[in-house]
Amino acid sequence: GAVVSQHPSWVICKSGTSVKIECRSLDFQATTMFWYRQFPKQSLMLMATSNEGSKATYEQGVEKDKFLINHASLTLSTLTVTSAHPEDSSFYICSARGSGETQYFGPGTRLLVL
Amino acid sequence: KQEVTQIPAALSVPEGENLVLNCSFTDSAIYNLQWFRQDPGKGLTSLLLIQSSQREQTSGRLNASLDKSSGRSTLYIAASQPGDSATYLCAVVNAGNMLTFGGGTRLMVKP
Repeated sequence: GAVVSQHPSWVICKSGTSVKIECRSLDFQATTMFWYRQFPKQSLMLMATSNEGSKATYEQGVEKDKFLINHASLTLSTLTVTSAHPEDSSFYICSARGSGETQYFGPGTRLLVL
Repeated sequence: KQEVTQIPAALSVPEGENLVLNCSFTDSAIYNLQWFRQDPGKGLTSLLLIQSSQREQTSGRLNASLDKSSGRSTLYIAASQPGDSATYLCAVVNAGNMLTFGGGTRLMVKP
């Protein structure tokens, strides 16, 4: 079956630092990858959609200069949280879609900004 | 290991009908349950979130119920419209914030 990995699974950082999260499709080519964020007791919310080789499309209210997304290959997308602050602490999940409509989700990355 | 099942896998109804989508899960120790909508080529859109202590949530024509003890949730869509055509996914959150999705119900509402 299709497998999506995320790295790291946990990250703790100081306020003001930048954090990069990787999302990889291990056994299929992902033409589209999605990045989601989930705050405690809230629903999973879509942040942005990235297609390989093009700029990401951000949802309303998501700062594109703060959440940099790079989808440089068909198996890798990265989300960089620049100058992270405590309010950015959340659970970040990516999903990848290949040729079909099914999205395969990564295990998530928990970010804690101190 | 949590398993989430959605029935039916596909549903086609005429416009105006009220309909029910079902979601069942094997491990009742959940934090919350979420219903999403997926349109072709798009990311998931959150519809309703039910905390484990709640029994139902309503948003417009949508009503979701949760029976944690029996491991079931239903999404009720009133007066269906062609614009409701999409794939509906339920997901449960367990300890450690593990998110487990069901396989989805593909809904087609015919004008």
